[in-house]
Amino acid sequence: AQSVTQLDSQVPVFEEAPVELRCNYSSSVSVYLFWYVQYPNQGLQLLLKYLSGSTLVESINGFEAEFNKSQTSFHLRKPSVHISDTAEYFCAVSEDDKIIFGKGTRLHILP
Amino acid sequence: NAGVTQTPKFQVLKTGQSMTLQCAQDMNHEYMSWYRQDPGMGLRLIHYSVGAGITDQGEVPNGYNVSRSTTEDFPLRLLSAAPSQTSVYFCASSYRGGPEAFFGQGTRLTVV
Repeated sequence: AQSVTQLDSQVPVFEEAPVELRCNYSSSVSVYLFWYVQYPNQGLQLLLKYLSGSTLVESINGFEAEFNKSQTSFHLRKPSVHISDTAEYFCAVSEDDKIIFGKGTRLHILP
Repeated sequence: NAGVTQTPKFQVLKTGQSMTLQCAQDMNHEYMSWYRQDPGMGLRLIHYSVGAGITDQGEVPNGYNVSRSTTEDFPLRLLSAAPSQTSVYFCASSYRGGPEAFFGQGTRLTVV
């Protein structure tokens, strides 16, 4: 069965600084990978997804993630964070119609 | 287009009480699922369904029942609530083979 590891439970970063949220998954022949974001007191929203093709995927609000098959990683990056990016971020993998989530990384933006 | 709708948004139960969390989707998705979210645990799959009349257990099914009589609805039943079931519950839906899931806004349940 698939599993997802998010290496950091919390990441503090200063506003306008870059950030990387790490995610590793257990290997499989083919995977679909996702990052979901949960803003305070809200449900989960899809941030970006990798299905196939280009290994670099981008979201509309400046995040990007790169699928690295050899390292079984799907790290999320943003070159300059804003206070509005304060949220919890979940990496997830799809397996047999089920979506398996990591434990989440809480992003704290420091003024 | 409402997407995935969960009711109620908040609920307080006494130990031993029963209740049903409602979930409805209007996207004609075959696949529906229930997760619980606890601090530091991420989202854990409780039960899921790949279509009307078909349900299966996820990672943490004990204490919960589900049924899927229609494509649109996937209620989650707590037969005898326990404090360990205090959590935030999310319902999600997707097309069969997905891969992307759409989530409801969640139900915050407290069992005292």
